[in-house]
Amino acid sequence: DIQMTQSPSSLSASVGDRVTITCRASQGISNYLAWYQQKPGKVPKLLIYAASTLQSGVPSRFSGSGSGTDFTLTISSLQPEDVASYYCQKYNSAPLTFGGGTKVEIK
Amino acid sequence: EVQLVQSGAEVKKPGESLKISCKGSGYSFTYYWIAWVRQMPGKGLEWMGIIYPGDSDTRYSPSFQGQVTISADKSIYTAYLQWSSLKASDTAMYYCASPRLRGVMGDFDYWGQGTLVTVSS
Repeated sequence: DIQMTQSPSSLSASVGDRVTITCRASQGISNYLAWYQQKPGKVPKLLIYAASTLQSGVPSRFSGSGSGTDFTLTISSLQPEDVASYYCQKYNSAPLTFGGGTKVEIK
Repeated sequence: EVQLVQSGAEVKKPGESLKISCKGSGYSFTYYWIAWVRQMPGKGLEWMGIIYPGDSDTRYSPSFQGQVTISADKSIYTAYLQWSSLKASDTAMYYCASPRLRGVMGDFDYWGQGTLVTVSS
């Protein structure tokens, strides 16, 4: 089965910083990659699908890129409300594995 | 409005059985896959498995195959996750989730509110 590896597992950045999270698949998954945001105590929320398509209502400071095995989620200007854990997920075929997650905090 | 409403929190003892539910509304339940996702306390999301209510086609994560059973009753728009013998390590929040698009496993745009399962003697 394909493994999804996210890095870093946590990060601390200042408000306004550019933040980048990476996700690597152990085999190619084309662009069947989603990103989710989960705020503390809340249900996960879909941010990006098809590796780079922003879900409706998601702020434009979020963006995704990549294809094949290497993917990136970028927050162009970190805001206090972006404190959350972020997860990638492959969905080309079962099992629809999640990455291990990245916890984003404000410095 | 699409909604997935899960059954309430459960407190069980090791060895007991349990079946939790996820009821869909506001969409064609039969034609959308429904997945179950585990989140252990303080940990990340784990995909457990998925079912297509239309024909009950079910796929499991290797980590959960044989440990849980996923089922669905399309007549009442409800999916289920069940255990025959719970362990303390099953203590977690369990989410059901459904994709954006009909007929594909896809990315999960719709999520239930979660069911907290606590297993303790």
